[in-house]
Amino acid sequence: GQQLNQSPQSMFIQEGEDVSMNCTSSSIFNTWLWYKQDPGEGPVLLIALYKAGELTSNGRLTAQFGITRKDSFLNISASIPSDVGIYFCAGQRNTDKLIFGTGTRLQVFP
Amino acid sequence: DADVTQTPRNRITKTGKRIMLECSQTKGHDRMYWYRQDPGLGLRLIYYSFDVKDINKGEISDGYSVSRQAQAKFSLSLESAIPNQTALYFCATSDEDRVYGYTFGSGTRLTVV
Repeated sequence: GQQLNQSPQSMFIQEGEDVSMNCTSSSIFNTWLWYKQDPGEGPVLLIALYKAGELTSNGRLTAQFGITRKDSFLNISASIPSDVGIYFCAGQRNTDKLIFGTGTRLQVFP
Repeated sequence: DADVTQTPRNRITKTGKRIMLECSQTKGHDRMYWYRQDPGLGLRLIYYSFDVKDINKGEISDGYSVSRQAQAKFSLSLESAIPNQTALYFCATSDEDRVYGYTFGSGTRLTVV
């Protein structure tokens, strides 16, 4: 089944550092979404993007919908311990099912 | 109460046993999904349903079956559980409007011994 290419696969950073991760596809999407999964919980929606080039922030998180509509980026500024978890991108064409990325596991050390 | 509730949260079962995982939602969404998560493999779609009379296979449906009992209820069954079905299972819901994405339950951790 199709999954989006998400990188990096894992990150180990120190508290206070900025984080960048990205998601790429061979297909065009109309919507890009970013989710976070805390340990032992289901994924929770962080940011939704609906237009090519769109840049949207949610607190310390900023996500961008790539101009080509085949990629998306998520940045986390000044990381804190509660940022630990798995981050998933997801793409959607019109109202079809979401296609999920393979996930980026983030560890933050004090 | 949670928008999407999964029961049980944890389950240990023996090989060959039949087991059902249940999902209920209060979102009023028409669409419901079952995903499986294995370490390092992200979320893989097992089955999905766009309304009560619609059931579709996902990418890894072998060994699983589903039942959409009502708009709010979507259950996943393992007819004869095997050890490689040990995983974390998530139910999710969505509406047709692409604005809100999916809402996930908290998951069921299933261990088949």
